[in-house]
Amino acid sequence: QSALTQPASVSGSPGQSITISCTGSNSDVDGYNYVSWYQQHPGKAPKLMIYDVTNRPSGVSNRFSGSKSGNTASLTISGLQAEDEADYYCSLFTSRGTYVFGTGAKVTVL
Amino acid sequence: QLQLQESGPGLVKPSETLSLSCSVSGGSISSSSYYWGWIRQPPGKGLEWIGSIYYSGSTDYNPSLKSRVTMSVDTSKNRFSLKLSSVTAADTAVYFCASIAARTYFDYWGQGTLVTVSS
Repeated sequence: QSALTQPASVSGSPGQSITISCTGSNSDVDGYNYVSWYQQHPGKAPKLMIYDVTNRPSGVSNRFSGSKSGNTASLTISGLQAEDEADYYCSLFTSRGTYVFGTGAKVTVL
Repeated sequence: QLQLQESGPGLVKPSETLSLSCSVSGGSISSSSYYWGWIRQPPGKGLEWIGSIYYSGSTDYNPSLKSRVTMSVDTSKNRFSLKLSSVTAADTAVYFCASIAARTYFDYWGQGTLVTVSS
Protein backbone atom coordinates (compact mmCIF):
# COMPACT_ATOMS: atom_id res chain seq x y z
CA GLN A 1 0.00 0.00 0.00
CA SER A 2 1.34 3.41 -0.98
CA ALA A 3 2.27 5.98 1.63
CA LEU A 4 -0.06 8.88 2.17
CA THR A 5 1.16 12.07 0.48
CA GLN A 6 2.22 15.04 2.58
CA PRO A 7 4.05 18.23 1.55
CA ALA A 8 7.77 17.90 2.20
CA SER A 9 7.90 21.19 4.06
CA VAL A 10 5.60 23.82 5.54
CA SER A 11 6.73 27.05 7.13
CA GLY A 12 5.25 29.97 8.98
CA SER A 13 6.11 32.85 11.27
CA PRO A 14 5.45 32.79 15.01
CA GLY A 15 1.80 33.40 15.75
CA GLN A 16 0.61 32.38 12.30
CA SER A 17 -1.46 29.32 11.42
CA ILE A 18 -0.28 26.58 9.09
CA THR A 19 -2.00 23.52 7.66
CA ILE A 20 -0.40 20.21 6.74
CA SER A 21 -2.29 18.02 4.27
CA CYS A 22 -2.36 14.22 4.03
CA THR A 23 -3.81 12.72 0.86
CA GLY A 24 -4.60 9.11 0.11
CA SER A 25 -3.99 7.44 -3.24
CA ASN A 26 -7.56 6.24 -3.55
CA SER A 27 -10.65 6.53 -1.39
CA ASP A 28 -8.88 5.10 1.66
CA VAL A 29 -8.82 8.33 3.66
CA ASP A 30 -12.28 9.35 2.46
CA GLY A 31 -13.93 6.17 3.60
CA TYR A 32 -12.37 5.89 7.05
CA ASN A 33 -12.16 8.07 10.15
CA TYR A 34 -9.03 6.49 11.62
CA VAL A 35 -6.52 9.18 10.75
CA SER A 36 -3.95 10.15 13.40
CA TRP A 37 -1.13 12.68 13.49
CA TYR A 38 2.31 12.51 15.11
CA GLN A 39 4.94 15.11 15.96
CA GLN A 40 8.58 14.05 15.93
CA HIS A 41 11.48 16.15 17.10
CA PRO A 42 14.99 15.15 15.95
CA GLY A 43 16.27 12.05 17.70
CA LYS A 44 13.01 11.53 19.56
CA ALA A 45 10.10 9.13 19.32
CA PRO A 46 6.93 10.33 17.60
CA LYS A 47 4.25 11.84 19.81
CA LEU A 48 0.52 11.43 19.21
CA MET A 49 -1.13 14.79 18.51
CA ILE A 50 -4.51 13.91 16.94
CA TYR A 51 -6.46 10.66 16.64
CA ASP A 52 -9.63 9.61 14.82
CA VAL A 53 -9.31 12.69 12.55
CA THR A 54 -10.28 15.35 15.08
CA ASN A 55 -9.64 14.14 18.64
CA ARG A 56 -6.85 15.60 20.73
CA PRO A 57 -5.26 13.49 23.51
CA SER A 58 -5.09 14.89 27.01
CA GLY A 59 -2.10 17.19 27.38
CA VAL A 60 -1.85 18.21 23.73
CA SER A 61 -2.25 21.95 23.14
CA ASN A 62 -5.56 23.09 21.69
CA ARG A 63 -3.51 24.95 19.08
CA PHE A 64 -3.45 21.62 17.23
CA SER A 65 -6.58 20.57 15.37
CA GLY A 66 -7.47 17.97 12.77
CA SER A 67 -10.03 17.76 9.99
CA LYS A 68 -10.87 15.80 6.87
CA SER A 69 -12.44 16.62 3.52
CA GLY A 70 -12.89 13.89 0.98
CA ASN A 71 -9.68 11.93 0.61
CA THR A 72 -7.50 14.55 2.33
CA ALA A 73 -6.94 14.90 6.06
CA SER A 74 -5.36 18.02 7.52
CA LEU A 75 -3.53 19.11 10.65
CA THR A 76 -3.71 22.79 11.53
CA ILE A 77 -1.34 24.45 13.97
CA SER A 78 -2.55 27.84 15.12
CA GLY A 79 -0.49 30.41 16.99
CA LEU A 80 2.71 28.83 15.68
CA GLN A 81 5.51 28.63 18.26
CA ALA A 82 9.20 27.84 18.00
CA GLU A 83 8.65 24.53 19.81
CA ASP A 84 6.33 23.40 17.02
CA GLU A 85 9.28 23.06 14.67
CA ALA A 86 9.43 19.33 14.00
CA ASP A 87 8.47 16.61 11.53
CA TYR A 88 4.80 15.69 11.34
CA TYR A 89 3.38 12.39 10.08
CA CYS A 90 -0.16 11.33 9.40
CA SER A 91 -1.25 7.72 9.72
CA LEU A 92 -4.26 5.74 8.58
CA PHE A 93 -5.66 2.52 9.97
CA THR A 94 -7.12 0.75 6.96
CA SER A 95 -10.04 -1.57 6.43
CA ARG A 96 -7.55 -4.42 5.90
CA GLY A 97 -6.22 -4.05 9.45
CA THR A 98 -2.98 -2.46 8.32
CA TYR A 99 -1.46 0.94 8.94
CA VAL A 100 0.08 3.36 6.49
CA PHE A 101 2.05 6.48 7.34
CA GLY A 102 2.35 9.68 5.41
CA THR A 103 5.57 10.76 3.76
CA GLY A 104 6.17 13.31 6.50
CA ALA A 105 6.21 17.11 6.55
CA LYS A 106 8.94 19.26 8.05
CA VAL A 107 7.55 22.33 9.80
CA THR A 108 9.86 25.32 10.02
CA VAL A 109 9.15 28.33 12.20
CA LEU A 110 10.65 31.34 10.47
CA GLN B 1 0.55 5.70 31.72
CA LEU B 2 2.21 3.03 29.65
CA GLN B 3 5.93 2.92 29.20
CA LEU B 4 7.63 0.85 26.50
CA GLN B 5 11.29 -0.04 26.14
CA GLU B 6 12.95 -1.75 23.20
CA SER B 7 15.92 -4.07 23.66
CA GLY B 8 18.11 -6.13 21.39
CA PRO B 9 21.36 -6.17 19.41
CA GLY B 10 22.36 -2.93 17.73
CA LEU B 11 24.31 -4.70 15.01
CA VAL B 12 23.12 -7.58 12.82
CA LYS B 13 24.96 -9.23 9.96
CA PRO B 14 23.43 -9.38 6.47
CA SER B 15 21.25 -12.47 5.85
CA GLU B 16 20.81 -13.05 9.60
CA THR B 17 17.72 -12.49 11.73
CA LEU B 18 17.04 -9.27 13.60
CA SER B 19 15.44 -9.89 17.01
CA LEU B 20 14.00 -7.21 19.27
CA SER B 21 11.84 -7.19 22.37
CA CYS B 22 9.59 -4.52 23.83
CA SER B 23 8.95 -4.49 27.57
CA VAL B 24 5.72 -2.88 28.71
CA SER B 25 5.24 -1.27 32.11
CA GLY B 26 2.43 0.75 33.63
CA GLY B 27 -0.20 -1.59 32.28
CA SER B 28 -0.91 -5.14 31.20
CA ILE B 29 -0.07 -6.42 27.76
CA SER B 30 -3.17 -8.60 28.15
CA SER B 31 -5.44 -5.57 28.20
CA SER B 32 -8.30 -5.89 25.75
CA SER B 33 -7.96 -2.18 24.97
CA TYR B 34 -4.63 -2.44 23.23
CA TYR B 35 -2.81 -3.91 20.30
CA TRP B 36 0.99 -3.68 20.15
CA GLY B 37 3.06 -2.61 17.21
CA TRP B 38 6.48 -2.21 15.66
CA ILE B 39 7.40 0.75 13.48
CA ARG B 40 10.78 1.54 11.92
CA GLN B 41 12.48 4.62 10.54
CA PRO B 42 15.57 4.40 8.30
CA PRO B 43 18.08 7.19 8.95
CA GLY B 44 16.76 10.45 7.54
CA LYS B 45 13.57 8.85 6.24
CA GLY B 46 9.94 8.43 7.22
CA LEU B 47 8.03 6.00 9.41
CA GLU B 48 7.09 2.50 8.25
CA TRP B 49 4.67 0.19 10.04
CA ILE B 50 6.09 -3.32 10.39
CA GLY B 51 3.35 -5.22 12.15
CA SER B 52 0.99 -5.44 15.09
CA ILE B 53 -0.11 -8.11 17.56
CA TYR B 54 -2.91 -8.66 20.05
CA TYR B 55 -2.35 -10.38 23.40
CA SER B 56 -4.10 -13.46 22.02
CA GLY B 57 -1.31 -13.77 19.46
CA SER B 58 -3.31 -12.55 16.48
CA THR B 59 -1.05 -10.66 14.07
CA ASP B 60 -1.14 -8.29 11.12
CA TYR B 61 1.95 -7.59 9.04
CA ASN B 62 2.96 -5.02 6.45
CA PRO B 63 2.47 -6.83 3.12
CA SER B 64 5.88 -5.64 1.93
CA LEU B 65 7.60 -7.34 4.88
CA LYS B 66 5.20 -10.18 5.63
CA SER B 67 7.39 -12.97 4.29
CA ARG B 68 10.21 -12.02 6.70
CA VAL B 69 8.38 -10.89 9.84
CA THR B 70 7.31 -12.83 12.90
CA MET B 71 5.85 -11.20 15.98
CA SER B 72 5.06 -12.88 19.29
CA VAL B 73 3.77 -11.93 22.72
CA ASP B 74 4.79 -13.17 26.16
CA THR B 75 2.06 -12.27 28.61
CA SER B 76 3.96 -13.72 31.59
CA LYS B 77 6.78 -11.23 31.01
CA ASN B 78 4.55 -8.41 29.76
CA ARG B 79 6.49 -8.03 26.57
CA PHE B 80 6.25 -8.62 22.84
CA SER B 81 8.89 -9.37 20.25
CA LEU B 82 9.86 -8.92 16.63
CA LYS B 83 11.91 -11.14 14.36
CA LEU B 84 12.90 -9.98 10.88
CA SER B 85 14.75 -12.56 8.83
CA SER B 86 17.20 -12.32 5.93
CA VAL B 87 18.12 -8.74 6.71
CA THR B 88 19.99 -6.45 4.34
CA ALA B 89 21.41 -2.97 4.65
CA ALA B 90 17.96 -1.65 3.72
CA ASP B 91 16.70 -2.88 7.10
CA THR B 92 19.03 -0.49 8.94
CA ALA B 93 16.71 1.75 10.91
CA VAL B 94 15.56 2.95 14.29
CA TYR B 95 12.97 0.44 15.46
CA PHE B 96 10.16 1.69 17.70
CA CYS B 97 7.62 -0.32 19.61
CA ALA B 98 4.28 1.27 20.43
CA SER B 99 0.91 0.61 22.00
CA ILE B 100 -2.07 0.84 19.69
CA ALA B 101 -5.23 2.15 21.30
CA ALA B 102 -8.59 1.04 19.98
CA ARG B 103 -6.56 -0.70 17.29
CA THR B 104 -6.43 2.60 15.40
CA TYR B 105 -3.71 4.90 16.71
CA PHE B 106 -0.26 4.65 18.29
CA ASP B 107 -0.55 6.37 21.66
CA TYR B 108 2.62 5.43 23.55
CA TRP B 109 6.01 4.85 21.99
CA GLY B 110 9.32 3.44 23.13
CA GLN B 111 12.40 5.62 22.74
CA GLY B 112 13.53 3.58 19.73
CA THR B 113 16.63 1.49 19.15
CA LEU B 114 19.00 1.78 16.21
CA VAL B 115 19.72 -1.48 14.43
CA THR B 116 22.50 -1.46 11.87
CA VAL B 117 22.85 -4.25 9.34
CA SER B 118 26.49 -4.63 8.46
CA SER B 119 29.17 -7.30 8.26
